[in-house]
Amino acid sequence: AAGVIQSPRHLIKEKRETATLKCYPIPRHDTVYWYQQGPGQDPQFLISFYEKMQSDKGSIPDRFSAQQFSDYHSELNMSSLELGDSALYFCASSLDLRLAGELFFGEGSRLTVL
Amino acid sequence: SQQGEEDPQALSIQEGENATMNCSYKTSINNLQWYRQNSGRGLVHLILIRSNEREKHSGRLRVTLDTSKKSSSLLITASRAADTASYFCATDPRTQGGSEKLVFGKGTKLTVNP
Repeated sequence: AAGVIQSPRHLIKEKRETATLKCYPIPRHDTVYWYQQGPGQDPQFLISFYEKMQSDKGSIPDRFSAQQFSDYHSELNMSSLELGDSALYFCASSLDLRLAGELFFGEGSRLTVL
Repeated sequence: SQQGEEDPQALSIQEGENATMNCSYKTSINNLQWYRQNSGRGLVHLILIRSNEREKHSGRLRVTLDTSKKSSSLLITASRAADTASYFCATDPRTQGGSEKLVFGKGTKLTVNP
């Protein structure tokens, strides 16, 4: 069965550079979530989209932005990268969390900021 | 603020023993879910229990929910070395207009020794 696809899997950037992460949700899933997980930490919610509109926002820095496109894939753009942005970034999709369903996670994109 | 707190933070047992992990949360919820994460990998959904349910089983997994105490437990019976992973509880907070995200606890790192 198709799963959530994230790219790239690994990314190394310098401070103050920009990075873009991509997420392709499971087909027919209409909700996408982005989470950030630091080393040894729990996943922290960043932002979500439902039917291409932002539906909720968490602890996402102003330097970060995201959008969901017409084909439902989503991109997380991170600018002016800082050392503290080094983390695993997960995308998850679901068939509308308001129906109280599970989230399907991708394998994550590991960002290292040097 | 952190919604879920789990204990213990780390648990080491022998194969064949049972493992119990606990989760406490702060707000009213629609449902509570448990996820498993192998080191550096994506989170995998294990089980979902709704706020009007008290106990649920899935294979070797047993989840309980006590909404009066705002707590849940995950029991893994007859553990195997392959159960070694981090286990997170995640809550779907009940908010006005419907919730849009899952809030994760800090996780329990389970090690099952062969």
